[in-house]
Amino acid sequence: QVQLVQSGAEVRKPGASVKVSCKASGYTFSNYGITWVRQAPGQGLEWMAWISVYNGDTKYAQKLQGRVTMTTDTSTNTAYMELRSLRFDDTAVYYCARGGDSRDLDYWGQGTLVSVSS
Amino acid sequence: EIVLTQSPATLSLSPGERATLSCRASQSVGSYLAWYQQKPGHAPRLLIYDASNRATGIPARFSGSGSGTDFTLTMSSLEPEDFAVYYCQQRSNWPRTFGQGTKVEIK
Repeated sequence: QVQLVQSGAEVRKPGASVKVSCKASGYTFSNYGITWVRQAPGQGLEWMAWISVYNGDTKYAQKLQGRVTMTTDTSTNTAYMELRSLRFDDTAVYYCARGGDSRDLDYWGQGTLVSVSS
Repeated sequence: EIVLTQSPATLSLSPGERATLSCRASQSVGSYLAWYQQKPGHAPRLLIYDASNRATGIPARFSGSGSGTDFTLTMSSLEPEDFAVYYCQQRSNWPRTFGQGTKVEIK
C-alpha cells in the first residue's frame, strides 16, 4: 500500500534551517511528483512547492522562493524539504503529498510539526 | 495567482441533512479542481478530483460539480464522521492554491 512517512517534530530558533524528510513506499517513486503543504496552528492549508521526482523540475510559492529547497533521493525513495532563515510565522505542520502536477494529492504524509521559538 | 474563495466559512447542520459547499475561482480553472476533507490532528484526504470524480473509497454521498469558476461539493446526507473542514484546491495554474476552507459543524 502507498505510504508517505515523514520525519519527526523539530524545534528551531529564528534564523536557523530545518530539513524535513518524506519516505515513500508502495509505488514507483519516480512516476509521481511530490508536493509540500503547510498549515499554521488553527489556519488553513498553504501550498508551498512541488518537485518532479522524474526530472527534478520544481515550482515554488513566490513568498517562499529563495528560502525553500526541495530535493529527492531515488535510491532511498525519499523527498526532502529544506526551509532556511526560519521566522516565527514558519511554525506549522508540514505535509508531503503525492502528486500535484497532472494528478491531485491522493496520498499524504502524517505531517511534521516545525516550531520556531527563541 | 488564482484565488479560491469558499463559502460559507462555517456550516451548522444536523446528521442526515444535506450540505452544499461552494468554491469560486478568480479565473477559470477548467475542471482542475479538487476537494479535500480534514479532521483535527489528521492530514487532509482527497475526496473529489477533476471537479466531479470521487477518489478511491469515497462514499457515494459525496459529489462534486462545476467547471470554470464555480464549483460545489455536496454531501447528500451527513454522517457523524463527515463533520470536518473541507478545502478546495486548483491545479490549473502554478502556483497551486487552496481555498480558505469551510467548517461543517454539528448543529
